[in-house]
Amino acid sequence: AQKITQTQPGMFVQEKEAVTLDCTYDTSDPSYGLFWYKQPSSGEMIFLIYQGSYDQQNATEGRYSLNFQKARKSANLVISASQLGDSAMYFCAMREENLIFGKGTKLSVKP
Amino acid sequence: KAGVTQTPRYLIKTRGQQVTLSCSPISGHRSVSWYQQTPGQGLQFLFEYFSETQRNKGNFPGRFSGRQFSNSRSEMNVSTLELGDSALYLCASSDRATNEKLFFGSGTQLSVL
Repeated sequence: AQKITQTQPGMFVQEKEAVTLDCTYDTSDPSYGLFWYKQPSSGEMIFLIYQGSYDQQNATEGRYSLNFQKARKSANLVISASQLGDSAMYFCAMREENLIFGKGTKLSVKP
Repeated sequence: KAGVTQTPRYLIKTRGQQVTLSCSPISGHRSVSWYQQTPGQGLQFLFEYFSETQRNKGNFPGRFSGRQFSNSRSEMNVSTLELGDSALYLCASSDRATNEKLFFGSGTQLSVL
């Protein structure tokens, strides 16, 4: 069974609008971490945001916020005010012993 | 602070050869992990090293090996290369002692002909 599910293979968003990228996870471990990474065409994985399973508040990093719904095992990434440079692959990942990645969502920002 | 550095950036090898990839973590980070990324399988965990010891290993054949040196730099070796080993190999470092965030390098793109 997949541990990280990203149901949106590709998404389009208009520049300056907000967009939500979906991620659900599966674990029985009470201690885990959730990550979002951005991978532009250059290949580098860029860390965006982190949420620990015991964190009470939703994580925020600039224009990125993580909508963490623990009971639903959901960790959606919200990007506010999209920019053309946000066009990239976005990966949700969960850390138990090691990092397990979803298949990714390709985000395209339209001018 | 310098980021994670991986060398070389691109590599072309033929079947049966072996290859060594290098990764220098962020200064102060003692944990280094390696991932393989292919279009078909996505991102898969290879192994993790912490203070020169392998902590975890993914589900890869023994042809894939690694090591970590006392300065935390890590190398990954693949012997008897196969066509299916063509992939982007990503290295990530973290400071396990203080937080779980992993920071990645730009990767080594390996092509096996």
